[in-house]
Amino acid sequence: DTEVTQTPKHLVMGMTNKKSLKCEQHMGHRAMYWYKQKAKKPPELMFVYSYEKLSINESVPSRFSPECPNSSLLNLHLHALQPEDSALYLCASSQNPGTGGRGNQPQHFGDGTRLSIL
Amino acid sequence: GENVEQHPSTLSVQEGDSAVIKCTYSDSASNYFPWYKQELGKRPQLIIDIRSNVGEKKDQRIAVTLNKTAKHFSLHITETQPEDSAVYFCAANAGGGADGLTFGKGTHLIIQP
Repeated sequence: DTEVTQTPKHLVMGMTNKKSLKCEQHMGHRAMYWYKQKAKKPPELMFVYSYEKLSINESVPSRFSPECPNSSLLNLHLHALQPEDSALYLCASSQNPGTGGRGNQPQHFGDGTRLSIL
Repeated sequence: GENVEQHPSTLSVQEGDSAVIKCTYSDSASNYFPWYKQELGKRPQLIIDIRSNVGEKKDQRIAVTLNKTAKHFSLHITETQPEDSAVYFCAANAGGGADGLTFGKGTHLIIQP
């Protein structure tokens, strides 16, 4: 069983739709992440939240909008996506290493949301 | 930014033999190197990790070695079993004080019965 829960597991949406992906963890972790994984490729970092504040945005298009309402929840709001955005979207969490240092704590992944854009 | 290279892309070994996967990284400030196993249609699962203050770490049939000078780290799996078949990713913590991981391109490990 994974301790990082993502919903929905599958999502099919049109290019004009607005939808949200949700991620939840109850391990007390204060760092949460969104990764995008295309078929037969490695996960690619999109966003990092540290203590509920956005610390990294890896030049992701504005049609992806992250939100961290509290320390347990992470959302990814989707709007006007393109067919090439079809992928597995993975959420992960880790203990926060504190300020001034690089993250060196294990990241635990959820099962992902498989997104298809029509 | 950090660049992680991983070899080979596919590795086929006989059941019971050992498998070795190698990675190199570019950013000398990286100090955390996890390995993930991903089975088809499933999430990446952390199998072992190593920090830069350690040269080797072992957990049963799995071991990881790190050479900071060469910026090189490797995964060793001994006595391979059919359930070891999966895609394995190495990773390094990214640059600029970040918490995110940069992954290698993955190795498809096939265990031949």
